[in-house]
Amino acid sequence: KQEVTQIPAALSVPEGENLVLNCSFTDSAIYNLQWFRQDPGKGLTSLLLIQSSQREQTSGRLNASLDKSSGRSTLYIAASQPGDSATYLCAVRAMDSNYQLIWGAGTKLIIKP
Amino acid sequence: EPEVTQTPSHQVTQMGQEVILRCVPISNHLYFYWYRQILGQKVEFLVSFYNNEISEKSEIFDDQFSVERPDGSNFTLKIRSTKLEDSAMYFCASSQTRRSSYNEQFFGPGTRLTVL
Repeated sequence: KQEVTQIPAALSVPEGENLVLNCSFTDSAIYNLQWFRQDPGKGLTSLLLIQSSQREQTSGRLNASLDKSSGRSTLYIAASQPGDSATYLCAVRAMDSNYQLIWGAGTKLIIKP
Repeated sequence: EPEVTQTPSHQVTQMGQEVILRCVPISNHLYFYWYRQILGQKVEFLVSFYNNEISEKSEIFDDQFSVERPDGSNFTLKIRSTKLEDSAMYFCASSQTRRSSYNEQFFGPGTRLTVL
């Protein structure tokens, strides 16, 4: 059964730093992986989707990589800003399901001004 | 930019009551989903819906739950007799394509359900 883990659970860094969030999954048979942002008490904003055949995707200051064989993805945030403070979730769509996403618990990111 | 909308934003109900959570998916999307997130826990899949029928459901989605697309725009989740443990944030999502590897799901802002 697919399981998704995110480490660390929380991260606090000064503004301006580049940082990496990690996501690992136990079964490499996936269709894709999505990174989301969740602000407190709010909805889930899709940041990036990486298809299983891709190695990385970029959107602005965000870059997500995927190493399917090792079951890992990273989300790189360049030049962090206080507005980046949120919980970042990764979710995979496993090949043994139709469309459901299987979620990690998230990394709570705090960017200190 | 098109977005998924959900109503109400917060619903408070008594245990044993029926609730209906409403969602309006993005207009040209064909696949619809409900997920939930109990406070402090992971997001969990409930059900996916395509072509007016359930395509997949989780163990959580028991006989107390049902989904419906009553018209061309709304997608609803009904909980027949709510329990305390149904208290959670419920998210609706939709996606457009059937392509397996590119099926980006877009989420609404959620409905916070509180069962007293």
